[in-house]
Amino acid sequence: ETGVTQSPTHLIKTRGQQVTLRCSSQSGHNTVSWYQQALGQGPQFIFQYYREEENGRGNFPPRFSGLQFPNYSSELNVNALELDDSALYLCASSLGTFNSNEQFFGPGTRLTVL
Amino acid sequence: DQQVKQNSPSLSVQEGRISILNCDYTNSMFDYFLWYKKYPAEGPTFLISISSIKDKNEDGRFTVFLNKSAKHLSLHIVPSQPGDSAVYFCAASELNSGGSNYKLTFGKGTLLTVNP
Repeated sequence: ETGVTQSPTHLIKTRGQQVTLRCSSQSGHNTVSWYQQALGQGPQFIFQYYREEENGRGNFPPRFSGLQFPNYSSELNVNALELDDSALYLCASSLGTFNSNEQFFGPGTRLTVL
Repeated sequence: DQQVKQNSPSLSVQEGRISILNCDYTNSMFDYFLWYKKYPAEGPTFLISISSIKDKNEDGRFTVFLNKSAKHLSLHIVPSQPGDSAVYFCAASELNSGGSNYKLTFGKGTLLTVNP
Protein backbone atom coordinates (compact mmCIF):
# COMPACT_ATOMS: atom_id res chain seq x y z
CA GLU A 1 0.00 0.00 0.00
CA THR A 2 1.62 3.25 -1.12
CA GLY A 3 1.15 6.44 0.85
CA VAL A 4 0.31 9.92 -0.38
CA THR A 5 3.02 11.39 -2.59
CA GLN A 6 3.47 14.94 -3.83
CA SER A 7 5.62 16.52 -6.51
CA PRO A 8 7.71 18.50 -6.78
CA THR A 9 9.29 18.73 -3.34
CA HIS A 10 10.39 22.32 -3.79
CA LEU A 11 9.54 24.98 -6.33
CA ILE A 12 10.63 28.57 -6.92
CA LYS A 13 8.49 30.88 -9.04
CA THR A 14 8.27 34.61 -9.64
CA ARG A 15 5.29 36.84 -9.01
CA GLY A 16 2.66 36.66 -11.75
CA GLN A 17 3.61 33.16 -12.90
CA GLN A 18 1.42 30.07 -12.75
CA VAL A 19 2.21 26.83 -10.92
CA THR A 20 0.86 23.27 -10.89
CA LEU A 21 1.37 20.97 -7.93
CA ARG A 22 0.61 17.25 -8.03
CA CYS A 23 -0.65 14.70 -5.57
CA SER A 24 -1.11 10.94 -5.76
CA SER A 25 -3.65 9.57 -3.32
CA GLN A 26 -3.16 6.63 -1.03
CA SER A 27 -4.30 3.44 -2.70
CA GLY A 28 -8.10 3.05 -2.53
CA HIS A 29 -8.78 6.65 -1.49
CA ASN A 30 -11.23 8.62 -3.64
CA THR A 31 -11.14 12.01 -1.90
CA VAL A 32 -8.36 14.59 -1.94
CA SER A 33 -8.13 17.76 0.14
CA TRP A 34 -5.56 20.52 -0.34
CA TYR A 35 -4.16 22.72 2.42
CA GLN A 36 -1.85 25.74 2.49
CA GLN A 37 0.54 26.05 5.44
CA ALA A 38 2.21 29.44 5.69
CA LEU A 39 5.28 29.83 7.88
CA GLY A 40 4.36 29.67 11.56
CA GLN A 41 0.73 28.81 10.82
CA GLY A 42 -1.36 25.68 10.80
CA PRO A 43 -2.60 24.14 7.55
CA GLN A 44 -5.50 26.06 6.02
CA PHE A 45 -8.15 24.26 3.96
CA ILE A 46 -8.16 25.26 0.28
CA PHE A 47 -10.65 22.80 -1.28
CA GLN A 48 -11.61 19.17 -1.55
CA TYR A 49 -12.19 16.97 -4.60
CA TYR A 50 -14.42 13.91 -4.64
CA ARG A 51 -15.13 11.85 -7.73
CA GLU A 52 -13.43 14.44 -9.93
CA GLU A 53 -15.54 17.36 -8.73
CA GLU A 54 -14.88 20.15 -6.25
CA ASN A 55 -16.73 19.29 -3.07
CA GLY A 56 -16.16 22.17 -0.68
CA ARG A 57 -13.87 25.21 -0.66
CA GLY A 58 -12.17 27.38 1.93
CA ASN A 59 -11.52 31.13 1.78
CA PHE A 60 -9.24 31.13 -1.23
CA PRO A 61 -9.68 33.19 -4.43
CA PRO A 62 -10.64 31.61 -7.77
CA ARG A 63 -7.03 31.76 -8.99
CA PHE A 64 -6.60 28.65 -6.84
CA SER A 65 -8.12 25.81 -8.81
CA GLY A 66 -7.82 22.08 -8.94
CA LEU A 67 -8.45 18.88 -10.81
CA GLN A 68 -8.98 15.30 -9.83
CA PHE A 69 -8.38 12.52 -12.32
CA PRO A 70 -10.12 9.14 -12.74
CA ASN A 71 -7.28 7.46 -10.84
CA TYR A 72 -8.01 9.93 -7.98
CA SER A 73 -4.71 11.75 -8.31
CA SER A 74 -5.05 15.52 -8.14
CA GLU A 75 -3.53 18.82 -9.18
CA LEU A 76 -3.55 22.21 -7.53
CA ASN A 77 -3.14 25.14 -9.90
CA VAL A 78 -2.38 28.67 -8.80
CA ASN A 79 -2.49 31.51 -11.33
CA ALA A 80 -1.04 35.01 -11.04
CA LEU A 81 1.22 34.06 -8.15
CA GLU A 82 1.63 36.55 -5.32
CA LEU A 83 4.38 36.77 -2.72
CA ASP A 84 1.93 35.64 -0.02
CA ASP A 85 1.39 32.38 -1.88
CA SER A 86 4.79 31.25 -0.58
CA ALA A 87 3.94 28.31 1.67
CA LEU A 88 3.99 24.55 2.14
CA TYR A 89 1.14 22.98 0.16
CA LEU A 90 -0.19 19.74 1.60
CA CYS A 91 -2.58 17.30 0.07
CA ALA A 92 -4.47 14.70 2.07
CA SER A 93 -6.42 11.71 0.81
CA SER A 94 -9.27 9.84 2.43
CA LEU A 95 -11.92 7.29 1.62
CA GLY A 96 -15.13 9.29 1.27
CA THR A 97 -15.82 12.82 2.30
CA PHE A 98 -16.89 12.25 5.88
CA ASN A 99 -13.78 10.65 7.28
CA SER A 100 -11.99 13.75 8.47
CA ASN A 101 -10.00 11.75 10.99
CA GLU A 102 -8.87 9.34 8.31
CA GLN A 103 -7.07 11.88 6.17
CA PHE A 104 -3.55 10.83 5.24
CA PHE A 105 -1.20 13.67 4.39
CA GLY A 106 1.62 13.81 1.89
CA PRO A 107 4.97 15.44 2.73
CA GLY A 108 4.04 18.65 0.93
CA THR A 109 5.46 20.92 -1.77
CA ARG A 110 7.39 23.97 -0.60
CA LEU A 111 6.55 26.88 -2.95
CA THR A 112 8.62 30.05 -2.87
CA VAL A 113 7.40 33.08 -4.82
CA LEU A 114 10.01 35.76 -5.49
CA ASP B 1 -10.32 35.24 13.15
CA GLN B 2 -8.75 32.07 14.52
CA GLN B 3 -11.33 29.45 15.40
CA VAL B 4 -8.77 27.00 16.78
CA LYS B 5 -6.04 28.40 19.01
CA GLN B 6 -2.91 26.83 20.40
CA ASN B 7 -1.48 29.55 22.62
CA SER B 8 1.80 27.83 23.48
CA PRO B 9 4.21 27.88 20.53
CA SER B 10 6.56 25.50 22.35
CA LEU B 11 6.79 23.13 25.30
CA SER B 12 9.82 21.38 26.78
CA VAL B 13 9.55 18.38 29.13
CA GLN B 14 11.82 15.71 30.58
CA GLU B 15 11.66 12.15 29.34
CA GLY B 16 9.27 10.09 31.45
CA ARG B 17 7.23 13.09 32.59
CA ILE B 18 3.79 14.14 31.38
CA SER B 19 3.36 16.45 28.38
CA ILE B 20 0.17 18.51 28.28
CA LEU B 21 -0.70 20.35 25.09
CA ASN B 22 -3.65 22.72 25.11
CA CYS B 23 -6.11 23.93 22.51
CA ASP B 24 -9.05 26.35 22.60
CA TYR B 25 -11.79 26.81 20.03
CA THR B 26 -14.58 29.26 19.39
CA ASN B 27 -16.92 27.52 16.94
CA SER B 28 -19.71 25.58 18.65
CA MET B 29 -20.47 23.74 15.39
CA PHE B 30 -17.27 21.71 15.53
CA ASP B 31 -18.25 18.10 16.05
CA TYR B 32 -14.91 16.30 16.08
CA PHE B 33 -11.50 17.25 17.40
CA LEU B 34 -8.22 15.75 16.29
CA TRP B 35 -4.54 15.90 17.11
CA TYR B 36 -1.90 15.56 14.45
CA LYS B 37 1.85 15.16 14.88
CA LYS B 38 4.30 16.55 12.34
CA TYR B 39 7.98 15.82 11.94
CA PRO B 40 10.15 18.06 9.71
CA ALA B 41 9.88 17.25 6.00
CA GLU B 42 6.88 14.99 6.58
CA GLY B 43 3.15 15.55 6.37
CA PRO B 44 1.00 15.67 9.51
CA THR B 45 0.15 12.24 10.93
CA PHE B 46 -3.14 11.56 12.68
CA LEU B 47 -2.63 10.81 16.38
CA ILE B 48 -5.95 10.70 18.24
CA SER B 49 -9.43 12.20 18.01
CA ILE B 50 -12.49 12.80 20.14
CA SER B 51 -16.13 13.31 19.31
CA SER B 52 -17.80 16.42 20.67
CA ILE B 53 -20.23 14.24 22.62
CA LYS B 54 -17.44 12.67 24.68
CA ASP B 55 -15.10 14.12 27.28
CA LYS B 56 -12.19 11.70 27.13
CA ASN B 57 -10.52 9.36 24.69
CA GLU B 58 -7.48 7.27 25.43
CA ASP B 59 -5.07 5.42 23.17
CA GLY B 60 -1.99 4.00 24.82
CA ARG B 61 0.19 6.83 26.10
CA PHE B 62 -2.09 9.46 24.55
CA THR B 63 -5.27 10.83 26.13
CA VAL B 64 -7.38 13.68 24.86
CA PHE B 65 -9.74 15.54 27.19
CA LEU B 66 -12.57 17.75 25.98
CA ASN B 67 -14.27 20.42 28.10
CA LYS B 68 -17.10 21.55 25.90
CA SER B 69 -18.40 24.25 28.24
CA ALA B 70 -14.97 25.87 28.28
CA LYS B 71 -14.37 25.14 24.57
CA HIS B 72 -11.05 23.63 25.54
CA LEU B 73 -9.25 20.40 24.82
CA SER B 74 -5.92 19.01 25.87
CA LEU B 75 -3.62 16.20 24.82
CA HIS B 76 -1.77 14.32 27.55
CA ILE B 77 1.25 12.18 26.74
CA VAL B 78 2.39 9.88 29.54
CA PRO B 79 5.20 9.00 29.76
CA SER B 80 6.85 11.36 27.29
CA GLN B 81 9.62 9.93 25.10
CA PRO B 82 12.30 11.70 23.03
CA GLY B 83 10.66 10.31 19.87
CA ASP B 84 7.56 12.34 20.73
CA SER B 85 9.48 15.52 19.90
CA ALA B 86 7.53 17.10 17.02
CA VAL B 87 5.03 19.82 16.20
CA TYR B 88 1.53 18.96 17.44
CA PHE B 89 -1.48 20.44 15.68
CA CYS B 90 -4.93 20.62 17.15
CA ALA B 91 -7.66 20.43 14.50
CA ALA B 92 -11.44 20.57 14.49
CA SER B 93 -13.89 19.31 11.90
CA GLU B 94 -17.28 20.60 10.85
CA LEU B 95 -19.71 19.80 8.11
CA ASN B 96 -19.55 22.35 5.30
CA SER B 97 -22.57 24.49 4.41
CA GLY B 98 -23.57 22.16 1.61
CA GLY B 99 -23.45 19.13 3.87
CA SER B 100 -21.17 17.36 1.46
CA ASN B 101 -17.94 17.10 3.36
CA TYR B 102 -16.09 17.67 6.56
CA LYS B 103 -13.30 20.23 6.54
CA LEU B 104 -10.52 20.54 9.08
CA THR B 105 -9.54 23.79 10.80
CA PHE B 106 -6.08 23.69 12.35
CA GLY B 107 -4.37 25.59 15.12
CA LYS B 108 -0.87 27.01 14.65
CA GLY B 109 0.81 24.11 16.37
CA THR B 110 2.95 23.56 19.46
CA LEU B 111 6.55 22.38 19.21
CA LEU B 112 7.10 19.69 21.83
CA THR B 113 10.66 18.88 22.84
CA VAL B 114 11.24 15.88 25.09
CA ASN B 115 14.68 15.96 26.65
CA PRO B 116 16.47 12.68 27.51
